[in-house]
This record gives sequence, structure tokens and C-alpha cells, in this order.
Amino acid sequence: NAGVTQTPKFQVLKTGQSMTLQCAQDMNHEYMSWYRQDPGMGLRLIHYSVGAGITDQGEVPNGYNVSRSTTEDFPLRLLSAAPSQTSVYFCASSHVLAGTKRSSYEQYFGPGTRLTVT
Amino acid sequence: RKEVEQDPGPFNVPEGATVAFNCTYSNSASQSFFWYRQDCRKEPKLLMSVYSSGNEDGRFTAQLNRASQYISLLIRDSKLSDSATYLCVVKINSANAGGTSYGKLTFGQGTILTVHP
Repeated sequence: NAGVTQTPKFQVLKTGQSMTLQCAQDMNHEYMSWYRQDPGMGLRLIHYSVGAGITDQGEVPNGYNVSRSTTEDFPLRLLSAAPSQTSVYFCASSHVLAGTKRSSYEQYFGPGTRLTVT
Repeated sequence: RKEVEQDPGPFNVPEGATVAFNCTYSNSASQSFFWYRQDCRKEPKLLMSVYSSGNEDGRFTAQLNRASQYISLLIRDSKLSDSATYLCVVKINSANAGGTSYGKLTFGQGTILTVHP
């Protein structure tokens, strides 16, 4: 199993450019999510999905879009990059607790994408 | 006030030392508690869950005090390989803007540990 994979590992964007961060998992996890990690802030949830076709906002969704057309893939789109979006982005996946839409306690994280917006 | 607060450190300890990290959380409705470990420039990985009765995994002991809203992690006989950032994580059932309930994980900013020879 490759686990959770993310591409690219590094990216530099100019303000106003758009791009898509890719995330894929091969563990048949229903739950997938995107976090950003900034110094002194901890990881903050951007968007999450509890299955194909279902997405919802986390605590910092502004400026980001997501879609979930398959169980395996959960891309994160920046439509118009801003310097405030300079961060490390982690994708994570897990099973959901039976009968709920809540993630099980262990999240498996991808290796991260380091994004700089100038 | 941050929802989950940790002393960021850094903690610099010699091999073999015992070191303890503390974490406090503000939401009394928090339901589940964890410690994750994050190596430099790597992704976080689950270290252990934290149970009310306290739990141990080898050299690592986690404690939870719900009344004080306080979590701790004790590392005994520190190894060089224990050098990492330790993230305190709290899970609470939350609702998004649309009213859908989900298990929200809130991460502390992490405590940096460096174990030296």
C-alpha cells in the first residue's frame, strides 16, 4: 500500500494564480480531509469528505474548493492564490465510525505539500 | 484562548532522561484525546490515544484529567530517536455551517523535543 500520496511536494505560485493540490489514498478510506499547518497555529481543517460526492467545510475553507468524485482522490483547488495561503498542506484519510459520518480516531497523513505564494 | 494549548518548548534533554509534556483544552465537550508525533518536515503520525484511566505504551505514558481539562505525555528513558514535535489532539463532535455533524480534530501547536547524547 502506498498509503496517502500528495503531489506536488513543493510549489511556488504568484498571487492570483490557480492550482490544484492532488491527494490520493489506496486504503479504501471513506473519510478524507485537508489541513494547513502554519507556525504556532497547529493544523487547521480546511475541507473534508465522508465519501464520494460528499464534501463539507472545515474551519478555514475560504479560498479553497474541493471535490470527491472517487473514493481514492480528494483534490484541493486554489482558485486565486494569495500570500496568506503560504503554508504546508496535509491531506489525511481514515475510516468513518460505523453508522456515523465521523472519522475514526486515527488519521493517516500524506507527506505534505509546501506552498509559497509570492 | 486557543482551544488546545501546549508549551511549545523546545525541551532539550539528555538520553535516558524522563520528560513530560502538558496540554490543556478549553472545550469541556471534548470526547477523545490523542498524541501525535511529527518528525521534522514530515507528516504527523498517531503516537497513542489517551484514556481517562491513563494508558501506557512501552516508555510512553498518557494521562487525562477531564475535571482539569488537562492531558499529559510522559516519556521515560528518552532515546535520540524520540526527537520530534509532539502534537496534542482533541476530538469533538462539531457541526459545520450547514449543520452536519462531524468529528473535528483540533491540534495543539506542538511541543518540540530534542534528545541529545
